[in-house]
Amino acid sequence: EAQVTQNPRYLITVTGKKLTVTCSQNMNHEYMSWYRQDPGLGLRQIYYSMNVEVTDKGDVPEGYKVSRKEKRNFPLILESPSPNQTSLYFCASSFSGRADTQYFGPGTRLTVL
Amino acid sequence: QQQVKQSPQSLIVQKGGISIINCAYENTAFDYFPWYQQFPGKGPALLIAIRPDVSEKKEGRFTISFNKSAKQFSLHIMDSQPGDSATYFCAAFTGGGNKLTFGTGTQLKVEL
Repeated sequence: EAQVTQNPRYLITVTGKKLTVTCSQNMNHEYMSWYRQDPGLGLRQIYYSMNVEVTDKGDVPEGYKVSRKEKRNFPLILESPSPNQTSLYFCASSFSGRADTQYFGPGTRLTVL
Repeated sequence: QQQVKQSPQSLIVQKGGISIINCAYENTAFDYFPWYQQFPGKGPALLIAIRPDVSEKKEGRFTISFNKSAKQFSLHIMDSQPGDSATYFCAAFTGGGNKLTFGTGTQLKVEL
């Protein structure tokens, strides 16, 4: 089944404790992206990647890191999480970066205490 | 600064009625305008999309109307059904920058 998977689905952590949210897709997509969803703000793009070893900042990259060492994986790294990073995170992928083919994962709900 | 402004924030429609959600943008670099539908506990899913050289696109009960000069576009859901109850997001894609900007979302409830 073609899908985007994220792990973990739920995470509660404390301020400053490094964490990684994994994202994997099995559709051989070149484009992958991370978003955060907050009430009243919609989804905001954090980082995106056009291909392996190619990443770029979205609208809200501060406090986040990403890497794209393999085509199928695009982990999101929070080196020192803070409470304002409490949010619902979505990973997405598409063949070429065109919005019409973007498939979203099920989401990761992160709480930073 | 919200680059894509969406309204209303919430909408209640009777079954069989027409749901209308509006979006406006300022950035003329946007070149593709998708709408996403999101059910509780799920990721957004593409519903319908339009390019700025087309004024209207229809897929089943869903229609996008696009007004390039006014920099506005809207989603119309005809014959709204309870199963359409979800959050709807408009979005705009910057082809040159490969970035997708979302509106703030509209929570639609279709009542029997």
